[in-house]
Order: sequence, then structure tokens, then C-alpha cells
Amino acid sequence: GAGVSQSPSNKVTEKGKDVELRCDPISGHTALYWYRQSLGQGLEFLIYFQGNSAPDKSGLPSDRFSAERTGGSVSTLTIQRTQQEDSAVYLCASSSGTGLVNEQFFGPGTRLTVL
Amino acid sequence: DAKTTQPPSMDCAEGRAANLPCNHSTISGNEYVYWYRQIHSQGPQYIIHGLKNNETNEMASLIITEDRKSSTLILPHATLRDTAVYYCIVRPVYNQGGKLIFGQGTELSVKP
Repeated sequence: GAGVSQSPSNKVTEKGKDVELRCDPISGHTALYWYRQSLGQGLEFLIYFQGNSAPDKSGLPSDRFSAERTGGSVSTLTIQRTQQEDSAVYLCASSSGTGLVNEQFFGPGTRLTVL
Repeated sequence: DAKTTQPPSMDCAEGRAANLPCNHSTISGNEYVYWYRQIHSQGPQYIIHGLKNNETNEMASLIITEDRKSSTLILPHATLRDTAVYYCIVRPVYNQGGKLIFGQGTELSVKP
């Protein structure tokens, strides 16, 4: 079946602009995660959605970052007033959210460049 | 979550076994060991996980020491496509649905 998809694959924006990144999880997966990976850095957790529960926003670096998940499926990560330090690959993952084995399936990522 | 320590890089000859170590000396009894890998320009990929017994699947084997303070991921016959960064992650059993905390991982280079 189809995996996790993300769009756009690349985004170049100017400092101060807002951007929206989209994630389509695997159908039926109730858990959805956003991570980012800056150049030379490891993967950093941003936010986690599980079903109808309140999201875990503990990884969002500032209030310029927000995310929503509509209808328990597609998710959008929004970065307002982008800064150069926001340049990174933003990765989305989904999982079934049930059972003891809960592997996460990652999308290909969106490469964001803030000029 | 318990922290992990991995060597930053390793080389392996194509066709030979790749043995990737991970130290997790502060692991607690209710924490699993998970391995993911990230091939260049792709998202991470789940490989295998274990609690205290050795595990094997179609991708790899996971050997966990009896005291659970370290583990080794084994790729039995490494190919050039196994060149990637390998991440060892410890996460609680009760947090199966939660976030992954990635360290710096081991960059494995498989050479012809």
C-alpha cells in the first residue's frame, strides 16, 4: 500500500514568510508525528498526534510553529515568520498507535530553505 | 528515556557481517531497544526491536546482553545499499505510541 507522503518535497522561502508543510499518513494509522533534521544535526521531535487526544507539543521550538490534524488523517505543519534557523528537512511519520510493537513509518521529508 | 551511546562511524566490507554496537547502561526493566536506519536523503526506517531476548527478522539480528546494558545489531551479509546512519533508541514499553528520541547514530559505510 501507499506509504507516508509529504508535500512539497522542497520549499524555498524568504525570511519572514509563513509556510505550510503537508503530511498524508498511511491510511488507518491513528498516530502521526513531526520531526525535523537540521544540517549536521540529529532528528528532533516536534509534535505527536494520537487519535482524538490532545497533541504532545513538547518539541515545538517556538510559538511560531503549530500543527493541526484534520479528520484524524492529513496533518499540516505551519511555520510563521520563518527564520533562517528554521531551514531543515521536516519529516512526518505515522504508526498504527496500537499494540506493543509500534514502528513508525516515515515519509521522504520536506526540505525547507529560508533565505 | 535512557540514553544510548554509539560509535560515530564504522566501515564494513560488502558481503561481510556488520556488527553495530550500542551502549545503554542506564536502561530500565520496562524499556525496549529499537533500531532504525536512515539512508541518505530518505526518512528513517524501522529495523528491529527487542526487550531482553535476542531477535531476528528478515533485515537483521539483535543481540542484547544478559544485563541489558548493551546490544549489537547484526547485518549478516552487508550490501552497498546498507550504507546508512543506524540509530539505537531506548523507549519505555508503556510509551509505544510516543515520540522517538534519536541520538547521533552510527554512520555505516559498506565498501566493495
